[in-house]
Order: sequence, then structure tokens, then C-alpha cells
Amino acid sequence: DTGVSQDPRHKITKRGQNVTFRCDPISEHNRLYWYRQTLGQGPEFLTYFQNEAQLEKSRLLSDRFSAERPKGSFSTLEIQRTEQGDSAMYLCASSPPGGGNEQYFGPGTRLTVT
Amino acid sequence: GQNIDQPTEMTATEGAIVQINCTYQTSGFNGLFWYQQHAGEAPTFLSYNVLDGLEEKGRFSSFLSRSKGYSYLLLKELQMKDSASYLCAAFKAAGNKLTFGGGTRVLVKP
Repeated sequence: DTGVSQDPRHKITKRGQNVTFRCDPISEHNRLYWYRQTLGQGPEFLTYFQNEAQLEKSRLLSDRFSAERPKGSFSTLEIQRTEQGDSAMYLCASSPPGGGNEQYFGPGTRLTVT
Repeated sequence: GQNIDQPTEMTATEGAIVQINCTYQTSGFNGLFWYQQHAGEAPTFLSYNVLDGLEEKGRFSSFLSRSKGYSYLLLKELQMKDSASYLCAAFKAAGNKLTFGGGTRVLVKP
């Protein structure tokens, strides 16, 4: 049983650089979410996809952030011109079609901006 | 807006019971999730309450009162491996959005 996978698990980058993270949801899960979590806090919602459509986007997602899910399977989250405040754990979650609302989380990508 | 409050930290002894309270004020509410998160790991699902009342699942139980905007997670017969953060999250069906509290770090001592 393959869970949600994320790549890379860790990323260290210099301020001003662009980074891209990938999320592969559980097979046949049509709903996909991105969250950001800083130390000692709960995850904060960033964006939500149903199939390839981005249906919800948080105000936290500034113009430097963009997410895609072109074929309704894997998703990418790109951060342009990274800032030190972007340092966080970026979590991806997915949930199956139908009424089940439980979200299954991946292991996350830990971003450190120096 | 959304506001989820839960205590920051709790300490309990192995074998004991701990109750983690969560209060929420949300615009649009469809249910309440509890997740467990060990340090450096992903959150894992514990429970989901839609209706008022208590739901029991082994050593863990979760309670919801929609009229009071209140939930709790009850952990019984605590084990050392239960040391983790417990996240309360309000679910809003419009947008499939989970709004998390800050998490309660539970430390189980021998």
C-alpha cells in the first residue's frame, strides 16, 4: 500500500533562489492539498486541487508561490525568489473521491532558506 | 475567520488518562478531525466527528459538541509511544479545507 510521497525530503537553498517540490498522492485519490507547517505550529492550508483544477487557494499563497497538477495525478509546488520566512515543512495530503473527508499526509519536504 | 484553540503542552504518566480540549470558532463547519504527529513525521489520522457525542476507537475516544464549538480527545492507558503532538482541525466542506490548531504536545513519563 503506497502512501503519499514527496520529493525531495529536505532542501537547503539560498535566499533568492527558486525551488520546486513534488507530491505523488495515493493512487486514485483525486483530491490533493498543500500545507505549510512551521516548528511548534499546526499545518496551514495553502491550496487544494480536485483532479487538475485548483479550487481553493489561501491568502498565504503569495505571488511567489504557484502550484500545479497538470494531469490530475502528481502535483508540484514552486516557490520563486525564496525568503528566509519560507523556511518550513511543506506537507502534501490527498483524499479519495466520494464523501470520505480524511486527508492522508505525506512525509513532507523540509525547506531551509539560508 | 477561523480560530482553533488547544493547550500547548500536557504531561501525563504512563498508564494514566489524558484529555486534550479543543475549542473552535469557524465560518462554515462540517466536522472535527484529530491527528497525531510524532516529531519530524507526517500527521496521521485518529478520528473524525460530524455528529455530537462520543466516538470510541480502542484507547482513543473523541467527543464533539457543535453547539458549544468544543471537542476533546481522550487518551486512555497511556503508553510511552503516545508522546506526540495532537492536532485538532475543523473541516469545512466548501473548499475541502482543514484548519488546524497549533497542536498539543503530550509528554508521557514513566
